[in-house]
Amino acid sequence: QKEVEQDPGPLSVPEGAIVSLNCTYSNSAFQYFMWYRQYSRKGPELLMYTYSSGNKEDGRFTAQVDKSSKYISLFIRDSQPSDSATYLCASPRAGGTSYGKLTFGQGTILTVHP
Amino acid sequence: DTEVTQTPKHLVMGMTNKKSLKCEQHMGHRAMYWYKQKAKKPPELMFVYSYEKLSINESVPSRFSPECPNSSLLNLHLHALQPEDSALYLCASSQVTENSNQPQHFGDGTRLSIL
Repeated sequence: QKEVEQDPGPLSVPEGAIVSLNCTYSNSAFQYFMWYRQYSRKGPELLMYTYSSGNKEDGRFTAQVDKSSKYISLFIRDSQPSDSATYLCASPRAGGTSYGKLTFGQGTILTVHP
Repeated sequence: DTEVTQTPKHLVMGMTNKKSLKCEQHMGHRAMYWYKQKAKKPPELMFVYSYEKLSINESVPSRFSPECPNSSLLNLHLHALQPEDSALYLCASSQVTENSNQPQHFGDGTRLSIL
């Protein structure tokens, strides 16, 4: 079992839809969570960074963490064609010899069509 | 534009060539990373530098040789690569904290093709 599971999709939605992207994780040591957006032929871009359970909002994006069920989500409101990209969830391992190791989900390919 | 700059953007090289990938950041970050990413896969960690010292080598073949000349620069020296090494090579940086919880910021990568 992968430590972070993410449905690769692809996910296709009409413009204006609410998009829900989800990951589950198995390692209770994971405390911080990130969402990255990666456009084709570009590097991952940090979208959201969360720690505690609950919601964090930034514009059209809301990140949700439920540590009791080990479930993290990213919601995109009023989706736009420019949101078409691969979305990666990730969590860093704690210190010691694992310092700096980000564990990624497989990434979800999202297409928003006009 | 990202705050982590990688050059070149594209590189085509033969299996006997020697080349280097370069990465630069001016965010004051003291941790820098090299990742390899194949198509439709997440990035895979190769190396981590913390305060200019190599702290993680993910059992990467010796044909990849990292170097961190100073706190802003990271190089990846390539020699005698194989066709399966063709991939997008990403550099990232982050602040250093005791529990390594700081987010990593990525460059746009170098797309490497081995003939």
